[in-house]
Amino acid sequence: GAVVSQHPSWVICKSGTSVKIECRSLDFQATTMFWYRQFPKQSLMLMATSNEGSKATYEQGVEKDKFLINHASLTLSTLTVTSAHPEDSSFYICSAQTGSTNEKLFFGSGTQLSVL
Amino acid sequence: QKEVEQNSGPLSVPEGAIASLNCTYSDRGSQSFFWYRQYSGKSPELIMSIYSNGDKEDGRFTAQLNKASQYVSLLIRDSQPSDSATYLCAVNYGGGGNKLTFGTGTQLKVEL
Repeated sequence: GAVVSQHPSWVICKSGTSVKIECRSLDFQATTMFWYRQFPKQSLMLMATSNEGSKATYEQGVEKDKFLINHASLTLSTLTVTSAHPEDSSFYICSAQTGSTNEKLFFGSGTQLSVL
Repeated sequence: QKEVEQNSGPLSVPEGAIASLNCTYSDRGSQSFFWYRQYSGKSPELIMSIYSNGDKEDGRFTAQLNKASQYVSLLIRDSQPSDSATYLCAVNYGGGGNKLTFGTGTQLKVEL
């Protein structure tokens, strides 16, 4: 299957700092990338959908100024958590889709963010 | 609010038994349904997809869809300890964008 590389796999930062997470599709061009957040023992919650070259579409309740998404190319999307706080500590997962169906949706390995 | 409901478990089955995982969804207009397996601390991986009413089999896995009753299930035959994971049900409600709504997952434990 296709490979989606996400890094870092884990990061610890101080409250108030910003953290950037990268998501790359290694062997395919991703028409769409999705960013999810998962709290312990909870499901994946979609944060935003991003298409290359256009602004991301954020889900209701997700602050676009806090979670900055840049999708500069068909193989790279970044999520920046700005001014992180302890409540932002979570598992962040990206997924990249090639083609028009969810069959072609591939997940990154996730990033565990811990904000002290 | 479009929802996907799953029993969180844990569901414990002995090795070699059939594990049955269930999922209900709220929107009758849903078009496609997926089962993902997620090991602790890892990202989900696609196990099965199903689009039409009835059964779909792939190896030890069978997905069942009943749109009238708005449920989808996953059967795992000859369960193995390596099947122990959280199984996420995901639904594409349509409307463009290919967004998936995930259930909270059912934790499966296959015991020796």
